[in-house]
Amino acid sequence: RKEVEQDPGPFNVPEGATVAFNCTYSNSASQSFFWYRQDCRKEPKLLMSVYSSGNEDGRFTAQLNRASQYISLLIRDSKLSDSATYLCVVGVGDMRFGAGTRLTVKP
Amino acid sequence: EAQVTQNPRYLITVTGKKLTVTCSQNMNHEYMSWYRQDPGLGLRQIYYSMNVEVTDKGDVPEGYKVSRKEKRNFPLILESPSPNQTSLYFCASSLFGTGVSGYYEQYFGPGTRLTVT
Repeated sequence: RKEVEQDPGPFNVPEGATVAFNCTYSNSASQSFFWYRQDCRKEPKLLMSVYSSGNEDGRFTAQLNRASQYISLLIRDSKLSDSATYLCVVGVGDMRFGAGTRLTVKP
Repeated sequence: EAQVTQNPRYLITVTGKKLTVTCSQNMNHEYMSWYRQDPGLGLRQIYYSMNVEVTDKGDVPEGYKVSRKEKRNFPLILESPSPNQTSLYFCASSLFGTGVSGYYEQYFGPGTRLTVT
């Protein structure tokens, strides 16, 4: 079993749609959780950290469920510019990356 | 500007010809790491360093070497590259340890696309 698993995607959604990504992790000792965004052939960049109480940043909402060991990312009112691959990252001794979920937002 | 730089950005080489990919960061970060990214496999850690002269293997260290003689630099060395090392490589850095909410964010370099023929 992979340490961090994500919905494989791809997700193809129209502009304005709400889309949700899920990510599960295997190590219950994990301490930190992040969502990174990666545009095609470019470096990953931090989208948001994920806190135990859940957190929101504009159209993006991240949730953490420690009991079930999963993280989610909700994107509301999708924009064309949201098209990218979203990486789930878990910190446990080191950073562990999911394989990513590709999102394409279409006009 | 705070950044991680890598060179070269693109490299095509032949099997067995030693090469070095440089990585430098200007944020005074203790922690640096190398990853390779392959389709469907995500980012896999090759080597990491928690500080000067302190390095350790990641998940896929075979065929690679690193050194950390200075805090800002963390070169990746392929002594005898093979075609299965064709990949997209990223260097990353961060503060070391755990912050208020856990581990620190990693900052990535722009990537080096390596092709070994």
